[in-house]
Amino acid sequence: DAGVIQSPRHEVTEMGQEVTLRCKPISGHNSLFWYRQTMMRGLELLIYFNNNVPIDDSGMPEDRFSAKMPNASFSTLKIQPSEPRDSAVYFCASLGGTEAFFGQGTRLTVV
Amino acid sequence: AQKITQTQPGMFVQEKEAVTLDCTYDTSDPSYGLFWYKQPSSGEMIFLIYQGSYDQQNATEGRYSLNFQKARKSANLVISASQLGDSAMYFCAMIPPLSGGYQKVTFGIGTKLQVIP
Repeated sequence: DAGVIQSPRHEVTEMGQEVTLRCKPISGHNSLFWYRQTMMRGLELLIYFNNNVPIDDSGMPEDRFSAKMPNASFSTLKIQPSEPRDSAVYFCASLGGTEAFFGQGTRLTVV
Repeated sequence: AQKITQTQPGMFVQEKEAVTLDCTYDTSDPSYGLFWYKQPSSGEMIFLIYQGSYDQQNATEGRYSLNFQKARKSANLVISASQLGDSAMYFCAMIPPLSGGYQKVTFGIGTKLQVIP
């Protein structure tokens, strides 16, 4: 397995634009997490899915953020409209039993 | 609810020496798993080691070992023979058991380790 795959690795966008981050979890893992990491706040859990169903989205900062997991092999995190304060590294992680692996992250810069 | 506490914001260790990074946790669940991750300056999160709450032996993975003291609710990471490449942030994390059909991962705030030549 190639591990958790996130795309893009880097994204620079203008304020107000829509941003979509993508994640392919490890095959067979039944839980998927989206995290945001900044210097100020550290690692923040945004939302997590179990068996493709959103379980807890209380960490999503506001309505501009949305996440979907249409099937077991794909998830998206969308920000619309984006703002400079959304600049961060966004990680996707997949969990199955005793394994919990992260993707390499997407570094988002909103200018 | 579960909580992870890492009380050492920063640590220094001499190259080739061993170092212990502290992690304490709080949970009312009898069954849980504990993870350690390394985050180098390049930014990726690297899985290091896993300990299950019912595992009889402390987990080991190469130079990494976990000093698991269940009664004290501590899961300290021990790195033996430190190398310059070990300089990174280290995060302790916990997952509760499958309950209600889902699992949630809780992270500590991390410890920054610097290995001195």
